[in-house]
Amino acid sequence: EAEVAQSPRYKITEKSQAVAFWCDPISGHATLYWYRQILGQGPELLVQFQDESVVDDSQLPKDRFSAERLKGVDSTLKIQPAELGDSAMYLCASSGSRDDTEAFFGQGTRLTVV
Amino acid sequence: QKEVEQDPGPLSVPEGAIVSLNCTYSNSAFQYFMWYRQYSRKGPELLMYTYSSGNKEDGRFTAQVDKSSKYISLFIRDSQPSDSATYLCAMRGSYIPTFGRGTSLIVHP
Repeated sequence: EAEVAQSPRYKITEKSQAVAFWCDPISGHATLYWYRQILGQGPELLVQFQDESVVDDSQLPKDRFSAERLKGVDSTLKIQPAELGDSAMYLCASSGSRDDTEAFFGQGTRLTVV
Repeated sequence: QKEVEQDPGPLSVPEGAIVSLNCTYSNSAFQYFMWYRQYSRKGPELLMYTYSSGNKEDGRFTAQVDKSSKYISLFIRDSQPSDSATYLCAMRGSYIPTFGRGTSLIVHP
């Protein structure tokens, strides 16, 4: 069964260090999302890609966060420097297109900043 | 005030009970209404979605949307311990979905 792959599953990093997360969406899915989910909260959209283009990054803290999807397939989300408040689950999701209501989520990367 | 409000619970019910989960929202532009289930340490998975107002049924699950009241519900009949999870409502107008904070449901045998 096709699924969204994310790595690593867990990451512990010291504040001020750089950290990166990787996502491989379901094959053929043009739309890719990165969400941040703080414990006890719902997912908040950080960035949305359509193929290799960013279509929404209005909630992405651009002073420290960056995201890329160079070939329109897999994607990397980077944080530099990490802050204590960045501790959260980072979820990647994909859908066939922006019009699709259903998005398929990966298992997420649990980040702890110490 | 957040665009989507959802009581975090926890909601604890006995096995076999009918469960009602609800969300309210403020953005009248929302047209698509989704319910996701999230097990601990997993990503959310879509249960069902509706477009605009009305009801939709899928097995033991029924979703209702009342746009006039800006209120959506998910009903679970004959709840099972395996239904224990966090239920997230989500909604969108154009392309960007907005999630509620989720309600934690515990179904005890």
